Amino acid sequence: DTEVTQTPKHLVMGMTNKKSLKCEQHMGHRAMYWYKQKAKKPPELMFVYSYEKLSINESVPSRFSPECPNSSLLNLHLHALQPEDSALYLCASSQEFTRRETQYFGPGTRLLVL
Amino acid sequence: AQTVTQSQPEMSVQEAETVTLSCTYDTSESDYYLFWYKQPPSRQMILVIRQEAYKQQNATENRFSVNFQKAAKSFSLKISDSQLGDAAMYFCAYRSAGGNKLVFGAGTILRVKS
Repeated sequence: DTEVTQTPKHLVMGMTNKKSLKCEQHMGHRAMYWYKQKAKKPPELMFVYSYEKLSINESVPSRFSPECPNSSLLNLHLHALQPEDSALYLCASSQEFTRRETQYFGPGTRLLVL
Repeated sequence: AQTVTQSQPEMSVQEAETVTLSCTYDTSESDYYLFWYKQPPSRQMILVIRQEAYKQQNATENRFSVNFQKAAKSFSLKISDSQLGDAAMYFCAYRSAGGNKLVFGAGTILRVKS
C-alpha cells in the first residue's frame, strides 16, 4: 500500500481565516513533506519532517505553520494567507535512511485564497 | 547546488507510438538517484521509474524505460506503445544519496493523439 491521503480536496478561504490541511500515511514512513505547486510548475519544497521533528524549513512565511502530531500525520496550519498563496498543496512521505527511499505523493489540496 | 533541466516544455505522440522525454542534470556528486514522476491533469503525482546512479543497467518498468548516461548527466524517459492514459505532465527529479530533498525539472507536458 503506497497511499498518502490528504484532506480536504478543495479549500476556499478568506485572508483572515484560519484553516488546516491534513495528511496521513500508514506505510510506516518516517519522513513527511509539504510542497506547494503552482499550475504547470514543479512542486516547491516547503517543509520536511524526519522522525516527527522539523528538519527542513525552506524559508516559508510564518503564516504557514506545520505540525507533525505523530509519525502518520502531518498538518499544515494556515493563517492570514495572501491570494498568491493559492496553489495545490502536496504532501509526500518516504522511508528514512534507506538507499531505496522514494517519495510518495498524496493527491493534494487545492487552495484558493480570496 | 544540483539542477535539473527538461528542455521540452511540450511533446506530442500518436497513440501506439514511442516518445522520448529528455532530462539533463548537473551535480558534482557521484552517488544519487534519479526519478521520473507523472502528474495527470488534476490527478495525483505518481512515480514512473527510478534509477540508482551506481547501477549501470538502465531501469525499465513495463512500457517505460530510461537511457541513463552518467558521464553525460543525461536521463531520458522512453515511453513505448503510448496510450491515452499516458497524457500528463512528466517531471524529472534528482535526489542526493545522503539527502531527502528532491530537485525537480520544469516538467514536460505530454499529449497523446488518438
